[in-house]
Amino acid sequence: GAVVSQHPSWVICKSGTSVKIECRSLDFQATTMFWYRQFPKQSLMLMATSNEGSKATYEQGVEKDKFLINHASLTLSTLTVTSAHPEDSSFYICSAPETGWVGYTFGSGTRLTVV
Amino acid sequence: GQQVMQIPQYQHVQEGEDFTTYCNSSTTLSNIQWYKQRPGGHPVFLIQLVKSGEVKKQKRLTFQFGEAKKNSSLHITATQTTDVGTYFCAGPYSGAGSYQLTFGKGTKLSVIP
Repeated sequence: GAVVSQHPSWVICKSGTSVKIECRSLDFQATTMFWYRQFPKQSLMLMATSNEGSKATYEQGVEKDKFLINHASLTLSTLTVTSAHPEDSSFYICSAPETGWVGYTFGSGTRLTVV
Repeated sequence: GQQVMQIPQYQHVQEGEDFTTYCNSSTTLSNIQWYKQRPGGHPVFLIQLVKSGEVKKQKRLTFQFGEAKKNSSLHITATQTTDVGTYFCAGPYSGAGSYQLTFGKGTKLSVIP
């Protein structure tokens, strides 16, 4: 089946620094990539939708200047958390629709801890 | 906006017992999807239901889509320890030219050996 490779799996960074998370579709072209955030014991909250070659669309309440999304190719989408703060610590997961939009394939997630 | 409610939030069962989680949407859905997330893992797609009243089975798992296409259920027969995880239902909605998913809060299943 479709595979989305997400890196890094976990990262610890200092407050004020930036962190880039990458998601690559390995065996299919992901024209669309969804970025989610998941707090412990909670559900997935959609942050933004990225479409290859165009600007990302952010959900209400998500700061686009803080969470920079780039989808420059059909196989790569990146999320950069800029000037990270402890409250940004969370589990970030990307997801792309599978062929024919039946089901969504998720990356393995990135656990971000800001200290 | 669209809301997807899921109950119960937690369920503890003895191995061998059955388990059911229920999902309700505030709006009619074109389809409903179910995902399983193991502890420390990421959501994995289980199934998609499209038709009103549809029932699908995957071994010990039975998925149902309501007649009004606003509710769904997942039933596991004779649970095993490998069933442990959080089960999410999700419904798509159209936005920004794509179909985004709204997830329920999930039901966390614990199986006592």
